[in-house]
Amino acid sequence: GAVVSQHPSWVICKSGTSVKIECRSLDFQATTMFWYRQFPKQSLMLMATSNEGSKATYEQGVEKDKFLINHASLTLSTLTVTSAHPEDSSFYICSASTRDRGRWGYNSPLHFGNGTRLTVT
Amino acid sequence: GEDVEQSLFLSVREGDSSVINCTYTDSSSTYLYWYKQEPGAGLQLLTYIFSNMDMKQDQRLTVLLNKKDKHLSLRIADTQTGDSAIYFCAETRIYQKVTFGTGTKLQVIP
Repeated sequence: GAVVSQHPSWVICKSGTSVKIECRSLDFQATTMFWYRQFPKQSLMLMATSNEGSKATYEQGVEKDKFLINHASLTLSTLTVTSAHPEDSSFYICSASTRDRGRWGYNSPLHFGNGTRLTVT
Repeated sequence: GEDVEQSLFLSVREGDSSVINCTYTDSSSTYLYWYKQEPGAGLQLLTYIFSNMDMKQDQRLTVLLNKKDKHLSLRIADTQTGDSAIYFCAETRIYQKVTFGTGTKLQVIP
């Protein structure tokens, strides 16, 4: 159980184009989804937190107009990298959490997608 | 802000035990997690422990928590080559965002 599917696994796009990454919770309702960015050989950097039906909360230094996050349902969140540039090339990972106390108690562990390798040429 | 620190690298021989250490600064931490990341992949939850526990064992994995010293460790018994990966510890409080450690790269030598 607790499977998170992220799509696509990798994408190459030209500079100036936009790329959409999807994150789906397959067998639970994800009240909260998180988007991370990971640079090579580094830890995960939280970009934003999104709760279903409300606007995402962005971490300091993350451009909300560049990284558009939509969390329209309890099982799907999307990250759109708009007008991508080579410096946006990175590994993007989503994770999902639920506040379903019946299953996990107060806080569920985060469950991660397999990540999306974005390369902007 | 909260800090979570780990040593960067650990090398062990196949069949030996591995111990990966983690220290954190937030005394209000409620949940502490261990994740495994293989190359090019997302993070896989290995195990987690509540702050009111001292130890948790799950097959080859043993988690020890010293709350007084804010020290968390993950012991992998009979380490196998398939255990080679980066291991992240992480901590959180109720409904708060998760803070990840810097990651420890485990190399298992056949």
